[in-house]
Amino acid sequence: EVQLVESGGGLVKPGGSLRLSCAASGFMFNNYQIDWVRQAPGKGLEWLSSISRNSGFVYYADSVKGRFTISRDNARDSAFLQMNSLRADDTAVYFCVRCSGFGWFDSWGQGTLVTVSS
Amino acid sequence: QSALTQPRSVSGSPGQSVTVSCTGTTSDIGKFNYVSWYQQHPGKAPKLMIYDVSQRPSGVPDRFSGSKSGNTASLTISGLQAEDEADYYCCSYAGSYIEVFGGGTKVTVL
Repeated sequence: EVQLVESGGGLVKPGGSLRLSCAASGFMFNNYQIDWVRQAPGKGLEWLSSISRNSGFVYYADSVKGRFTISRDNARDSAFLQMNSLRADDTAVYFCVRCSGFGWFDSWGQGTLVTVSS
Repeated sequence: QSALTQPRSVSGSPGQSVTVSCTGTTSDIGKFNYVSWYQQHPGKAPKLMIYDVSQRPSGVPDRFSGSKSGNTASLTISGLQAEDEADYYCCSYAGSYIEVFGGGTKVTVL
């Protein structure tokens, strides 16, 4: 069974940092692109970032470019999202997703909540 | 990277058909055949229902179908069932390895 499990969310002050982790199982992790998507409370989905299978290519939404960094460790079947300079509008549930094609997110984690507040 | 436009809500009675629209631009939906749709029940993670405009993943009932015309994509649910009540999101590839989601549509089964 394909599983993605996020961790690392929590309460952080504005300007602070947080590192999210995504542990994958049930599939050949190094064969898939991994993306991060977030959802603010009561709001819609927002694509944030993607990383290619061998980490050679990374892409970001304008809203997080320069503040967030995506990475992966294929030896540990894990992906990460380093979030710096956090703002109140970064408050959201963050999902790790497996990407099988353009916009084709076929497996989702349960999400981890990040709250940015003083 | 502007969000795609979806109606806030649509509704229908059990057994009826409903269609959710998703309007983009010539830079996303109009340019690429990479539109996907996701179903999200409250408190749950989204679930892929349609990819590549009209393809259904294994396990998704065939009463869910997708299409595209110009800059607008559509998700149709035929034979509406109570368990179809959920939020639905469209997503399109927008070039340069960027993806964009719609704002979401709440489907209500009357």
